Amino acid sequence: DQQVKQNSPSLSVQEGRISILNCDYTNSMFDYFLWYKKYPAEGPTFLISISSIKDKNEDGRFTVFLNKSAKHLSLHIVPSQPGDSAVYFCAARGSGGYQKVTFGTGTKLQVIP
Amino acid sequence: KAGVTQTPRYLIKTRGQQVTLSCSPISGHRSVSWYQQTPGQGLQFLFEYFSETQRNKGNFPGRFSGRQFSNSRSEMNVSTLELGDSALYLCASSSSGLPNTGELFFGEGSRLTVL
Repeated sequence: DQQVKQNSPSLSVQEGRISILNCDYTNSMFDYFLWYKKYPAEGPTFLISISSIKDKNEDGRFTVFLNKSAKHLSLHIVPSQPGDSAVYFCAARGSGGYQKVTFGTGTKLQVIP
Repeated sequence: KAGVTQTPRYLIKTRGQQVTLSCSPISGHRSVSWYQQTPGQGLQFLFEYFSETQRNKGNFPGRFSGRQFSNSRSEMNVSTLELGDSALYLCASSSSGLPNTGELFFGEGSRLTVL
């Protein structure tokens, strides 16, 4: 049962344009959402997060949007740079004390110079 | 501050053997989680330990086990290896404070190949 879904395995974007990565979830008990970036031969690194009480969080070129009614979140990267080329994982954590972090299957972003 | 350290980085085993992977978390972090990454499956949660106790467990068979020591270092073991166990095994540590935002700090992983 894939509770966090990233339906686009890959995405190609021109340098300088906007990259939009999407993520859907099914568990309404998730209350914290995160994005991780992973380069080959490295572990994932934390990028940005959002609490379920917010609908937007911004950090430099990265913005995450959360639509709770649609159980959908997206990561916007503006402007996209070649160094952003990586696999991006959406993740979610349940509410109440400590809950495990559930990851999506990832989207491979390629930014073309 | 040293990051999460995983050993070994690469290993090759044959079917039926067992393997033990090690993870040293960031100093001060008491929670250690293990994930399996395979193509098309993303990161699948194996288990999480806090203060030597398993707090969460994923949907993996009993061949997958783990433990945590008093210094927060953790090991995971896979017995009777199968070809499908070939994967990148990632360890992540996090601080123990609440509220837990879920931010995990990952190691570089141990790449297991089963022949």
